[in-house]
Amino acid sequence: QQQVKQSPQSLIVQKGGISIINCAYENTAFDYFPWYQQFPGKGPALLIAIRPDVSEKKEGRFTISFNKSAKQFSLHIMDSQPGDSATYFCAASTLAGGTSYGKLTFGQGTILTVHP
Amino acid sequence: KAGVTQTPRYLIKTRGQQVTLSCSPISGHRSVSWYQQTPGQGLQFLFEYFSETQRNKGNFPGRFSGRQFSNSRSEMNVSTLELGDSALYLCASSLVSGQALYFGNGTRLTVT
Repeated sequence: QQQVKQSPQSLIVQKGGISIINCAYENTAFDYFPWYQQFPGKGPALLIAIRPDVSEKKEGRFTISFNKSAKQFSLHIMDSQPGDSATYFCAASTLAGGTSYGKLTFGQGTILTVHP
Repeated sequence: KAGVTQTPRYLIKTRGQQVTLSCSPISGHRSVSWYQQTPGQGLQFLFEYFSETQRNKGNFPGRFSGRQFSNSRSEMNVSTLELGDSALYLCASSLVSGQALYFGNGTRLTVT
């Protein structure tokens, strides 16, 4: 019940295209859903996050779409650039308390390659 | 504002030894959490501290322990090292537990 399932494992997109990464969760207590970007040799960096009270959040070229009833959320990267090539992780946690409080449960990651 | 600093960056240890990893959080952040990253298991939560109190712990054996000091700096200790403990250990800090975590670049531990 604590898992977050992420797909695809890897994704190749042409420059200027849209990259879409999907995540599904089971624990209905999750109420905070961030996305992280990780470059080789670096720690994950927070990209964007969403709470369940909104269905979409946009920051620049990055958009999170959230479907509470389906327990799914996705990251869309518009106008993908070669510099976006990295590993992306979705995650979930509980901010209201409980066993998942203060703990991020991560998806397995998606390796994104953007070809010039 | 300085980011999360982890020391050392690289460590090589032998099976059976113990190791201590250090983390300095972003100034003002009272929450520090630790994660283990491996190719097979991905990113897994170890524990989280807030104002020197452990608030949550992941599913790791008791050989993995941690602590947080009054200045919010944190250390993680692994005793009786096993080959399977080879991983990237990441520390993250935040203002609020579990929200907007800022990660350091990790300590790469290799156990031989």
